[in-house]
Amino acid sequence: DAKTTQPPSMDCAEGRAANLPCNHSTISGNEYVYWYRQIHSQGPQYIIHGLKNNETNEMASLIITEDRKSSTLILPHATLRDTAVYYCIVRFDWYSGGGADGLTFGKGTHLIIQP
Amino acid sequence: NAGVTQTPKFQVLKTGQSMTLQCAQDMNHEYMSWYRQDPGMGLRLIHYSVGAGITDQGEVPNGYNVSRSTTEDFPLRLLSAAPSQTSVYFCASSGGTGNTEAFFGQGTRLTVV
Repeated sequence: DAKTTQPPSMDCAEGRAANLPCNHSTISGNEYVYWYRQIHSQGPQYIIHGLKNNETNEMASLIITEDRKSSTLILPHATLRDTAVYYCIVRFDWYSGGGADGLTFGKGTHLIIQP
Repeated sequence: NAGVTQTPKFQVLKTGQSMTLQCAQDMNHEYMSWYRQDPGMGLRLIHYSVGAGITDQGEVPNGYNVSRSTTEDFPLRLLSAAPSQTSVYFCASSGGTGNTEAFFGQGTRLTVV
C-alpha cells in the first residue's frame, strides 16, 4: 500500500469547514483513498473512501486531485464532537473486504475544533 | 445489533501470565483482525482472518496467537505476557468482497507489570 503524509495537527473553529490534507504521491491506479477517525482512544470509525472522483456522504466530502497524488477530507460544519485523530489510508484492493485484513495506519492528523 | 464486542475493557497482568482477549461480531462478517495501538501511534496489525479456520500474521505477530473456529469469534491469546505488550488492543471486522468499511470494537486496555 502506498505511503501517506498528513500534518500532525490542525485547528478549526466550530461551525467552519475543516479541510484535512493528505499526500499520497506514490499511489497506484487501483489504490483507493480511505479516511477513518478515532475519537479519544475509541475504536476507529470509517468516514469515506474514493478512487478518483470526488465523493460525499452524510459525514464528509472527499476531494481527490486529478493526478491522485493528494486528497482533502472536508467536514463542512465542524462541531466539537469532530475533535479526533483523522487517518488517511491508501488501500490496494477494496475488493478484499473493507480492510479488516489489514489497514495501514500512520500517525494521522489531530484535528482540534475550537469553540 | 451490538457490532464488534471486545472483552475485557481493562486488564492488568503480571509478566509471564497468559490471557485471552475476546472479540465477537454479530454482523456475519468474514474478515476479522486484531490491532495494537501504543501511545501516540497509529494502529498496527497483529493477526487477521479471512474466514473460519483461516488466519494469517500481520505486522507485529510475535507473542500472540489466534484461531478462528467460528465466524463470530476471533480471540487473541497472549501466551506469556511481557511489559512490551502493554497497549490498547482493537478488534475489527468487515464483510468480505465488495464491502468497504471496517468496524472496530471499543478496545481492551492491557497493562503488563
